Amino acid sequence: DVKVTQSSRYLVKRTGEKVFLECVQDMDHENMFWYRQDPGLGLRLIYFSYDVKMKEKGDIPEGYSVSREKKERFSLILESASTNQTSMYLCASSFADRGHEQYFGPGTRLTVT
Amino acid sequence: AQSVSQHNHHVILSEAASLELGCNYSYGGTVNLFWYVQYPGQHLQLLLKYFSGDPLVKGIKGFEAEFIKSKFSFNLRKPSVQWSDTAEYFCAANTGFQKLVFGTGTRLLVSP
Repeated sequence: DVKVTQSSRYLVKRTGEKVFLECVQDMDHENMFWYRQDPGLGLRLIYFSYDVKMKEKGDIPEGYSVSREKKERFSLILESASTNQTSMYLCASSFADRGHEQYFGPGTRLTVT
Repeated sequence: AQSVSQHNHHVILSEAASLELGCNYSYGGTVNLFWYVQYPGQHLQLLLKYFSGDPLVKGIKGFEAEFIKSKFSFNLRKPSVQWSDTAEYFCAANTGFQKLVFGTGTRLLVSP
């Protein structure tokens, strides 16, 4: 079974804090993704990575950065958390070939107060 | 920019009713299409996918979807829903490289 795990299910942080969300996949997938999920807006892509140390901006990268030092691990960083970053964050991974399905982690519900 | 539209945001059905959830995409080239489901408290999982070939695709739990290229549509169907189908359903399209574009989702509530 493909497994995508995320470091926390729930996280509460204060405005201005630096926040790290980590994601690990065990299927040797080339691609990894970070989304945020908000009611009525669906899933929006923040960043994705197609190889170690490679990254590309998604649709809403502002206020976020990412790091991929190892193939199985993809981190999302909120440099200075703000209340409008309160959301559910989903990590996903997939093989490189076009059209392969993405496998999702359980999500991290982040609340910024 | 490519987009995926799901016109039904909330759907309420009784058990045994038939289900059809609409999905339209805006892209003229080759497209791969997916339906994902998120049950309450669970992670997103793949329901079915279309790459090529037979436009009628069958997925898990009795779901199916039909790709109609002329209508840019990929509607999800199930002949008879169950209470356990209560979930949020997302349509998604892959139009290039590896990015998926998701619709805004449809919340389905099935009353027993």
